[in-house]
Amino acid sequence: NAGVTQTPKFRVLKTGQSMTLLCAQDMNHEYMYWYRQDPGMGLRLIHYSVGEGTTAKGEVPDGYNVSRLKKQNFLLGLESAAPSQTSVYFCASRLAGSTDTQYFGPGTRLTVL
Amino acid sequence: LAKTTQPISMDSYEGQEVNITCSHNNIATNDYITWYQQFPSQGPRFIIQGYKTKVTNEVASLFIPADRKSSTLSLPRVSLSDTAVYYCLVGGKAAGNKLTFGGGTRVLVKP
Repeated sequence: NAGVTQTPKFRVLKTGQSMTLLCAQDMNHEYMYWYRQDPGMGLRLIHYSVGEGTTAKGEVPDGYNVSRLKKQNFLLGLESAAPSQTSVYFCASRLAGSTDTQYFGPGTRLTVL
Repeated sequence: LAKTTQPISMDSYEGQEVNITCSHNNIATNDYITWYQQFPSQGPRFIIQGYKTKVTNEVASLFIPADRKSSTLSLPRVSLSDTAVYYCLVGGKAAGNKLTFGGGTRVLVKP
């Protein structure tokens, strides 16, 4: 049981490049979330999903797209990276219909030059 | 979404008890109070959750007064490894429950 894993751990992009961050969970959780965390700040929700094939916007969705084709995977895409997207990205998952905690991945550190 | 207010930072010494109070004046009836711990370069980790009165686990205690407008996380006999940022969140179990993270409380435990 690996919990929540994220790929890659680190990435450096040039402005305008695109990339996809992968989040995978093996706990059969319905809900999945993508957050970003800037230095010295709390986490801000980008997008989330309540089930396979469904996604919704969070607090800061602009510049990002997501897909949830499989229940265990949640992908975060940057179509045209900007320096303002330099951040640490965390994925989390949670069991639906309960107050159960969110389980977080180890994070992806992204730098956009 | 209920917002929370907590101190920016706190210093303590090894072996002391650390109490962090969080204000959540507009907490909803269905909301639970959850605390997370985050170490540098790691994702947040669940510590404790409660709805009212007192909850205790092997890591911490959570005190919630009757009006539920605040809560206090108590860390007994802290060690250096308890140095971390602690977040207080409120939220229910509604579909797509979106947890709002504030700035958290940075706790520094000194030798």
